[in-house]
Amino acid sequence: DGGITQSPKYLFRKEGQNVTLSCEQNLNHDAMYWYRQDPGQGLRLIYYSQIVNDFQKGDIAEGYSVSREKKESFPLTVTSAQKNPTAFYLCASSRDRGAYEQYFGPGTRLTVT
Amino acid sequence: AQSVTQLDSHVSVSEGTPVLLRCNYSSSYSPSLFWYVQHPNKGLQLLLKYTSAATLVKGINGFEAEFKKSETSFHLTKPSAHMSDAAEYFCVVSDPMTGTASKLTFGTGTRLQVTL
Repeated sequence: DGGITQSPKYLFRKEGQNVTLSCEQNLNHDAMYWYRQDPGQGLRLIYYSQIVNDFQKGDIAEGYSVSREKKESFPLTVTSAQKNPTAFYLCASSRDRGAYEQYFGPGTRLTVT
Repeated sequence: AQSVTQLDSHVSVSEGTPVLLRCNYSSSYSPSLFWYVQHPNKGLQLLLKYTSAATLVKGINGFEAEFKKSETSFHLTKPSAHMSDAAEYFCVVSDPMTGTASKLTFGTGTRLQVTL
């Protein structure tokens, strides 16, 4: 059963702590993406990666970091430098330039207090 | 630069009546356009896509959309709403980047409510 998995579904952290969100895909997609979703807004791109060991900043990368050590995995770390980390985080992947649609995971809701 | 405007933040219809969710886009390129649906606390599911083939695009669950270049619109329709259609709908335009990635620009979403 192919798809994208994100874990955990809900995550709670205290302010000042770093937290890592998991994203795994078994679709053999080259590109992977992280988005943030806030109420009443569309999705905003945090980071993306086109190949292993390479990644690029999106529109709102400040306070976040990523790695891409394996094609299947693209974890996102929300650092203590992110001023407003409470949000719904979505991971996505896409096949190649000829197929621009992205496929999304179920999301992780992060709450920082 | 590309952008997407969803003209209604909230649409309410009765079950069995038609659905119309409106979207206008702006793009420097010949665009690829998508509609995604999101149920509460879930990820996004692709409903349909337009990539310069037929201007009337059919998607899943009876939805379809028509690409109108002269009006820069890509409205989503369904002849008869079902209770299970209640969700958030996003209109999205794609800008191809170099390499293997694509950059999606999302509208702010339209919440569809379906009443009995």
